Amino acid sequence: GNSVTQMEGPVTLSEEAFLTINCTYTATGYPSLFWYVQYPGEGLQLLLKATKADDKGSNKGFEATYRKETTSFHLEKGSVQVSDSAVYFCAIHLETSGSRLTFGEGTQLTVNP
Amino acid sequence: DTAVSQTPKYLVTQMGNDKSIKCEQNLGHDTMYWYKQDSKKFLKIMFSYNNKELIINETVPNRFSPKSPDKAHLNLHINSLELGDSAVYFCASSQPGRATEAFFGQGTRLTVV
Repeated sequence: GNSVTQMEGPVTLSEEAFLTINCTYTATGYPSLFWYVQYPGEGLQLLLKATKADDKGSNKGFEATYRKETTSFHLEKGSVQVSDSAVYFCAIHLETSGSRLTFGEGTQLTVNP
Repeated sequence: DTAVSQTPKYLVTQMGNDKSIKCEQNLGHDTMYWYKQDSKKFLKIMFSYNNKELIINETVPNRFSPKSPDKAHLNLHINSLELGDSAVYFCASSQPGRATEAFFGQGTRLTVV
């Protein structure tokens, strides 16, 4: 089956620190890869995505590269801000799975000033 | 002009009651979903409809019954509520296709007492 494994949280960083959240997946097929972010009290919103091997998705200073050989899509940001505090979800999408998104467990990030 | 809107945002009810959560999207999407988020933030798909037709029905107790009167609406009715039903329920919508972004509502926090 399809599954996503994310680095366990919670993650606590100081402002301007470097962030990495690891994500690996297993999939029967060629998935599209996503990172979603959930701010407190809100629904999920798309942060970035990549659709094929070696594609890099980027948004708001966050980046992730589709690594087919290691089935990974690690999220990085060079300098985090307090406003980045949220829960981050890695997800895969396969058209053959009824268009569903399969999510990782989510990683809670807290950035302290 | 919220893209995906759910009502109510909060729902507190007693065990054994029946309740409904409503969802509407104004994006013109063909596919709508219900996800359940537990207390550890884990997201699991419950149902998916494409053009009013049920296409995903995960292992969900039959006390949960989705209804899609038209492709812009997907409601969730829950009978005989149990303590374990307490969670945040998210509605989402997307267009079929590769790498399509899902748009989420703000969630309905259901508390069964």
